[in-house]
Amino acid sequence: KAGVTQTPRYLIKTRGQQVTLSCSPISGHRSVSWYQQTPGQGLQFLFEYFSETQRNKGNFPGRFSGRQFSNSRSEMNVSTLELGDSALYLCASSTPGGDYGYTFGSGTRLTVV
Amino acid sequence: GDSVTQMEGPVTLSEEAFLTINCTYTATGYPSLFWYVQYPGEGLQLLLKATKADDKGSNKGFEATYRKETTSFHLEKGSVQVSDSAVYFCALSIPPNDYKLSFGAGTTVTVRA
Repeated sequence: KAGVTQTPRYLIKTRGQQVTLSCSPISGHRSVSWYQQTPGQGLQFLFEYFSETQRNKGNFPGRFSGRQFSNSRSEMNVSTLELGDSALYLCASSTPGGDYGYTFGSGTRLTVV
Repeated sequence: GDSVTQMEGPVTLSEEAFLTINCTYTATGYPSLFWYVQYPGEGLQLLLKATKADDKGSNKGFEATYRKETTSFHLEKGSVQVSDSAVYFCALSIPPNDYKLSFGAGTTVTVRA
């Protein structure tokens, strides 16, 4: 059974640019959530999608956005990149209630220079 | 708000030593509790979980018991190996409508041969 796939694994962008990250969930998982991991702030929740609808959103500026497609694949976008956006971005998929745990991908390492 | 507090690391142990990582939580509802592990350069892996009071989660020799009276979910392993060196995260979610994980800061564990 394939796991959660995130692409790309590594990305280097310049301040002011925008970036799109992709996440393919485990087959049959319709809930996809995104997290930002940094040394200073730890793991912080960005947003969660189910059936193409955002159900929950973390405390991030509007530059961070996401969407989910009908096949449950999800993308997140960060516009007008800042140096502080450098982080490991993790995607997780789960069954709808999340009680069985969330399965994470390996992440996308974003570096903003 | 909902939060998780983990014991600060780093923790350094010798092989076959006993490991305990303390985790306490604050939650407005009735949370599900998780331990995740992150190996260098990888995403998070679900180690174990518990969804109600007095439940014991166990996996790969690790155990944690959901203690509602002390709002705790401490992780233990009786005999660690070098391969257990990783960062361990305690997390909670509030089903059925939370749709996200709230993480502790993580505890870095290093096991020496």
